[in-house]
Amino acid sequence: DAGVIQSPRHEVTEMGQEVTLRCKPISGHDYLFWYRQTMMRGLELLIYFNNNVPIDDSGMPEDRFSAKMPNASFSTLKIQPSEPRDSAVYFCASRGEGPKTQYFGPGTRLLVL
Amino acid sequence: AQSVTQPDIHITVSEGASLELRCNYSYGATPYLFWYVQSPGQGLQLLLKYFSGDTLVQGIKGFEAEFKRSQSSFNLRKPSVHWSDAAEYFCAVALDTGRRALTFGSGTRLQVQP
Repeated sequence: DAGVIQSPRHEVTEMGQEVTLRCKPISGHDYLFWYRQTMMRGLELLIYFNNNVPIDDSGMPEDRFSAKMPNASFSTLKIQPSEPRDSAVYFCASRGEGPKTQYFGPGTRLLVL
Repeated sequence: AQSVTQPDIHITVSEGASLELRCNYSYGATPYLFWYVQSPGQGLQLLLKYFSGDTLVQGIKGFEAEFKRSQSSFNLRKPSVHWSDAAEYFCAVALDTGRRALTFGSGTRLQVQP
């Protein structure tokens, strides 16, 4: 299995630009999670999906952030417009319905100038 | 409120020495417990997990952890540290019902001296 795949691995953009992060979960996994890692706040949940349906988006910072999961093999996290404080590492993770272990992708390192 | 505490921000040990990283949680019930490791610039790799049963669990790379219900702790141990163990270690918990997402501790950065 290829594991959780995220793209791009690195993204540098300017303030005000739209940023789209992508994630392909492990095949057969029913849950998909988006986390953000910063020095100040550590690792925190942004949103998670179960069977493509958003279940908990309480961690999404504000309306500038949106996430979608149009099918079981693809999810996006969009930031529009981006701000320097959005600079962070964004991780996608997935798990199956039975097994409780979450498997993480390599992360997308976002820098907003 | 539910929380995970890793009281040690930074630990330095000599290569070959033993290691114990502390983790305490505050939950209404026993959650599922995990330790992840993150090398610089890398993603999170699962070291080990506890769901139920034997309270001493073995993981990869020679790590083990012991769940102590009375202390709400899940400390990570390794009898002999290798230079390649230098990384950041995260304790995390999850529930089986309700919110399924992981709640992470703040992490412990391990430095290994030659």
